[in-house]
Amino acid sequence: GQNIDQPTEMTATEGAIVQINCTYQTSGFNGLFWYQQHAGEAPTFLSYNVLDGLEEKGRFSSFLSRSKGYSYLLLKELQMKDSASYLCAVRVPYSGNTPLVFGKGTRLSVIA
Amino acid sequence: DAGITQSPRHKVTETGTPVTLRCHQTENHRYMYWYRQDPGHGLRLIHYSYGVKDTDKGEVSDGYSVSRSKTEDFLLTLESATSSQTSVYFCAISMGLAGSETQYFGPGTRLLVL
Repeated sequence: GQNIDQPTEMTATEGAIVQINCTYQTSGFNGLFWYQQHAGEAPTFLSYNVLDGLEEKGRFSSFLSRSKGYSYLLLKELQMKDSASYLCAVRVPYSGNTPLVFGKGTRLSVIA
Repeated sequence: DAGITQSPRHKVTETGTPVTLRCHQTENHRYMYWYRQDPGHGLRLIHYSYGVKDTDKGEVSDGYSVSRSKTEDFLLTLESATSSQTSVYFCAISMGLAGSETQYFGPGTRLLVL
């Protein structure tokens, strides 16, 4: 089976840095995705990692270690609008268009 | 904007009635997906399509059927709705460079089965 774990909830202060971890155990791997989902809205794509290392995109960065089955999403200079759920998802098996397997999401609350 | 719309956006129905949800896309994407999202479970795949008349089951396909008679429309049908199918349903398409395609989601349909 496929297993993707991430913390259920996190709280952080406006202006700070927060790291949301994701660990996965899947039968094959062809990329890890992070999505942001505000309450009552659809998930929106944030980042994609398929090789080990850090991908930076503005205030958001995502890291992947395939040997450890581990990823994290780093959010810098937190803003109130970053309060949302963050979904980690893995694509298996080795095909570009196979469906994603999602974790249950991490609900981030940004407080003043 | 991936050009995805879903209809209806909200629906209330009674147990035992048939329900059809529609996903419409305007950009000729080949791959389309239906997910449901429930508290404590995250997003789970119901069915997906890799072309006209080509579909496959996902993790939670029991009680659901799909049809894709033309590229732009992917229909999800609950033949006889049950309260356990109360959920938020998201349609998605896949787009991007070959080998690194990314899924983009429609706005969702909130379904309440009484």
